[in-house]
Amino acid sequence: GDSVTQMEGPVTLSEEAFLTINCTYTATGYPSLFWYVQYPGEGLQLLLKATKADDKGSNKGFEATYRKETTSFHLEKGSVQVSDSAVYFCALTSSGGSYIPTFGRGTSLIVHP
Amino acid sequence: DGGITQSPKYLFRKEGQNVTLSCEQNLNHDAMYWYRQDPGQGLRLIYYSQIVNDFQKGDIAEGYSVSREKKESFPLTVTSAQKNPTAFYLCASSPLGGRNEQYFGPGTRLTVT
Repeated sequence: GDSVTQMEGPVTLSEEAFLTINCTYTATGYPSLFWYVQYPGEGLQLLLKATKADDKGSNKGFEATYRKETTSFHLEKGSVQVSDSAVYFCALTSSGGSYIPTFGRGTSLIVHP
Repeated sequence: DGGITQSPKYLFRKEGQNVTLSCEQNLNHDAMYWYRQDPGQGLRLIYYSQIVNDFQKGDIAEGYSVSREKKESFPLTVTSAQKNPTAFYLCASSPLGGRNEQYFGPGTRLTVT
């Protein structure tokens, strides 16, 4: 079945540091890929998405590129802020079947001033 | 403003009581979902529905029940059969189709003592 693997957290960075959160996936066909962010005590919200190979999703300084050859969708940001502290979830939906999303376990990011 | 609402934000119940969590959306989405989130854990799918009057079990449906009598509403009942009901519950909705992201509500934190 489909699966998403994210790097273990927490990831702890100083403000203005470069961020990478790794995400790799296993899926049949051509899935769509998503990054969601969850701030403490809140629901998830979409951060960015990519629906085909080599697409780059971007939002609020975050970027991720759909790499089919390495089955990866790593999240990056050039300069993190304290306000980026949250839990980040990588997810996919397969191109066939029920369209039920598969989520990674989430990666907690803590940014210190 | 279109969106998805959950109420209440916090809910307290005594062991042995059933409790119903509300989820409403005005996004005209066909699909709705319920997830459970435990501290430091990812999302686990409880139930989902892709059409009115039809719903499917997710990965952890035991001890829960749902109904989908209206497109806008997808309430979740946590029954006394659920062995460990204290958790954060998230409702989501989406259009049908694999390229579409999910929209999440703010969550309900249920505490059972």
